[in-house]
Amino acid sequence: KQEVTQIPAALSVPEGENLVLNCSFTDSAIYNLQWFRQDPGKGLTSLLLIQSSQREQTSGRLNASLDKSSGRSTLYIAASQPGDSATYLCAVIRQGGSEKLVFGKGTKLTVNP
Amino acid sequence: AAGVIQSPRHLIKEKRETATLKCYPIPRHDTVYWYQQGPGQDPQFLISFYEKMQSDKGSIPDRFSAQQFSDYHSELNMSSLELGDSALYFCASSIRPRGRETQYFGPGTRLLVL
Repeated sequence: KQEVTQIPAALSVPEGENLVLNCSFTDSAIYNLQWFRQDPGKGLTSLLLIQSSQREQTSGRLNASLDKSSGRSTLYIAASQPGDSATYLCAVIRQGGSEKLVFGKGTKLTVNP
Repeated sequence: AAGVIQSPRHLIKEKRETATLKCYPIPRHDTVYWYQQGPGQDPQFLISFYEKMQSDKGSIPDRFSAQQFSDYHSELNMSSLELGDSALYFCASSIRPRGRETQYFGPGTRLLVL
């Protein structure tokens, strides 16, 4: 059974700091990995999707890397801003037919002005 | 750009009542997914549909049923509601081929069972 773990569960940083969020998964046979952002009580916004054959994806100040063999992904946020405060979730789709996203429990990020 | 639409956004029901949640996918998207997110929990996959046929099933209780209609919208029917059904219910949509495209999530329906 695929399990996704995110460390740390919560992170508080001052504005302007670069930071890294970590995600690990137990079954390396994944189809792709996605990073999402969730604001309190709100929906999920997809940030980046990395196919299993890719090593990284970039969008603006965000960079996500994937090391499938070691079952790890990182989300790098450069020059953090208070507006980045949210919960960040990673999720994987397993190879082999299932379409469901298996989520981690997320990292709650607070960027202090 | 058009997004996934869910209705209602908020719903309050009593125990043992029935609820129907609706999802309207992004135009041209042919696959719909339902997820349940309990308080402080990660989203859990319930069920998905592709071209009006059930394509995958997760931990969906027998009290729940869902379908996708000819216009690709989907409905999640929940009967004999329990307190533990209180959660945020997300619908997501994507376009085949499977997995190559992002699943786009709607804003969710917050269900409170009293």
